[in-house]
Amino acid sequence: DAKTTQPPSMDCAEGRAANLPCNHSTISGNEYVYWYRQIHSQGPQYIIHGLKNNETNEMASLIITEDRKSSTLILPHATLRDTAVYYCIVANAGGTSYGKLTFGQGTILTVHP
Amino acid sequence: DADVTQTPRNRITKTGKRIMLECSQTKGHDRMYWYRQDPGLGLRLIYYSFDVKDINKGEISDGYSVSRQAQAKFSLSLESAIPNQTALYFCATSDWTSGGNEQFFGPGTRLTVL
Repeated sequence: DAKTTQPPSMDCAEGRAANLPCNHSTISGNEYVYWYRQIHSQGPQYIIHGLKNNETNEMASLIITEDRKSSTLILPHATLRDTAVYYCIVANAGGTSYGKLTFGQGTILTVHP
Repeated sequence: DADVTQTPRNRITKTGKRIMLECSQTKGHDRMYWYRQDPGLGLRLIYYSFDVKDINKGEISDGYSVSRQAQAKFSLSLESAIPNQTALYFCATSDWTSGGNEQFFGPGTRLTVL
């Protein structure tokens, strides 16, 4: 699976959009981009994933660049409860690495009042 | 009720003891996983199972064994616990229809080996 690079930490004001970047320059054509978050030692929580098109759900939006070498997770109106570690993961949706996620160290997002 | 449960939630044990961590799920998923997390680090995969008859080693399986007793139950055993197995352990599940990468995690078991 492709390696990802994320900033170790970011801050955001409550109510503002939080934009979390991720670089995955070695991503291959059949690999998806997944985002998870982990709130203070709780089990990680799936947020969103995409292949090449932008995706949106009730939690967030995912913007993937046209060359697929980077992506941005957007939390449109961050709240204090969004303070967490955010993991960007690139993984195959099939094949022998199917279901095997590699969690890096992620980005610690701190939302301030 | 939680969809993925883990027991115990906290455990303190001594070096050399046998420990079993249990995971149960009510999501009806076929795939189950065990991860460990050390302080300040991401999760690392220990074992995974795609169905009752399929068990696979993950990134760090040495010192661990697993048992998939039923589709809903996946246990992790430490045959002879050692201090560097002190960590936070997570169980997760996924469903083949989602591609296996949308995983649902349990609340974790905090294990301390003295």
